[in-house]
Amino acid sequence: SQTIHQWPATLVQPVGSPLSLECTVEGTSNPNLYWYRQAAGRGLQLLFYSVGIGQISSEVPQNLSASRPQDRQFILSSKKLLLSDSGFYLCAWSTGQNYGYTFGSGTRLTVV
Amino acid sequence: DAKTTQPNSMESNEEEPVHLPCNHSTISGTDYIHWYRQLPSQGPEYVIHGLTSNVNNRMASLAIAEDRKSSTLILHRATLRDAAVYYCILSSGGYSSASKIIFGSGTRLSIRP
Repeated sequence: SQTIHQWPATLVQPVGSPLSLECTVEGTSNPNLYWYRQAAGRGLQLLFYSVGIGQISSEVPQNLSASRPQDRQFILSSKKLLLSDSGFYLCAWSTGQNYGYTFGSGTRLTVV
Repeated sequence: DAKTTQPNSMESNEEEPVHLPCNHSTISGTDYIHWYRQLPSQGPEYVIHGLTSNVNNRMASLAIAEDRKSSTLILHRATLRDAAVYYCILSSGGYSSASKIIFGSGTRLSIRP
């Protein structure tokens, strides 16, 4: 069966520090991968999606970047965190439009 | 991306059916209709999706209007665990692998014991 792993579950980082969040998928190959962010009390915002290794599409210009070094690995990064980067970060995968999306358990990031 | 319109909130009684409406008047012929729900402090959970025909699974039923401009998620017998924010979303991108879903504000469903 397919599973998705995200870590860490919670993270507190100072302003200006770097960030690396990792997401891995098991049990499938060539998935579409997605990063979403949910600010406190707000809806989910699509940040990046990837249809293959090294292929990244950015939805919203911001202080973050994404990379996909392996087929089932998706990384969200920042060189210098801002207070506004705080939020609940969710990774998701899908095999296409005709299939549901599976979300990870999320990382709650607090920038202080 | 085609938009969806949902009521901000709804209330229902436990053990009664719940009908959650969604309007998507600008839906294109290749857009799939997806429903997800999100419990507090958790990631969204897939509920159901469909293209033209009504769909049933163990969690819910999806009724799609003949013109596809609206749909209804049906929870047949609500429980307290069904209290969540329910999102109706259109998945764009055709059959290519570039599909993506954009979340709106959803409907906050409350269940009365």
